[in-house]
Amino acid sequence: TQLLEQSPQFLSIQEGENLTVYCNSSSVFSSLQWYRQEPGEGPVLLVTVVTGGEVKKLKRLTFQFGDARKDSSLHITAAQPGDTGLYLCAGEPPNDYKLSFGAGTTVTVRA
Amino acid sequence: ETGVTQTPRHLVMGMTNKKSLKCEQHLGHNAMYWYKQSAKKPLELMFVYSLEERVENNSVPSRFSPECPNSSHLFLHLHTLQPEDSALYLCASSQPGQGTDEQYFGPGTRLTVT
Repeated sequence: TQLLEQSPQFLSIQEGENLTVYCNSSSVFSSLQWYRQEPGEGPVLLVTVVTGGEVKKLKRLTFQFGDARKDSSLHITAAQPGDTGLYLCAGEPPNDYKLSFGAGTTVTVRA
Repeated sequence: ETGVTQTPRHLVMGMTNKKSLKCEQHLGHNAMYWYKQSAKKPLELMFVYSLEERVENNSVPSRFSPECPNSSHLFLHLHTLQPEDSALYLCASSQPGQGTDEQYFGPGTRLTVT
């Protein structure tokens, strides 16, 4: 199992501020996915990145896949209370469809 | 109904009880998964079924017994559980072999073992 480390573990910010969450590994992944999980619910897929150096934007969320496909970041601009949740990254190893998940970053956006 | 559904949403059981968790996916996927989510730990993959055949059993204790009667339904049968088995149990489905394996999760069953 490839280990994915997410940092920080917890993040609390004021509405309107920006934040960045990191997902790092020593292993190469063929793709990497970001999920958001709200209390009492299952994770919901936000985005999948596939190509090294790829940048994807989803409204105020920007996702980047590292050039070597070992790490990724999620940047939120002008955070809103609705962005509150547990953000999980998951890597798909080459030639294996089973995902390896990070432990997650709990983001709290205060109004 | 769309997506992945799980029942029950909450379950409290004693260590001597037998219960089952149910998962149903309406996405036409051919792979289904059981995960265990405990506080501050990464999701732990328990079982994987592909085309109704079990392809993965990650050293899960025998007190957890999966069943996949068809590609849309997945069960997790529970018996003589321990308090440390208390967790959120998540079901997911995907369609491997189509580029990237994006998994779609149900809302989970919050299990408490007393």
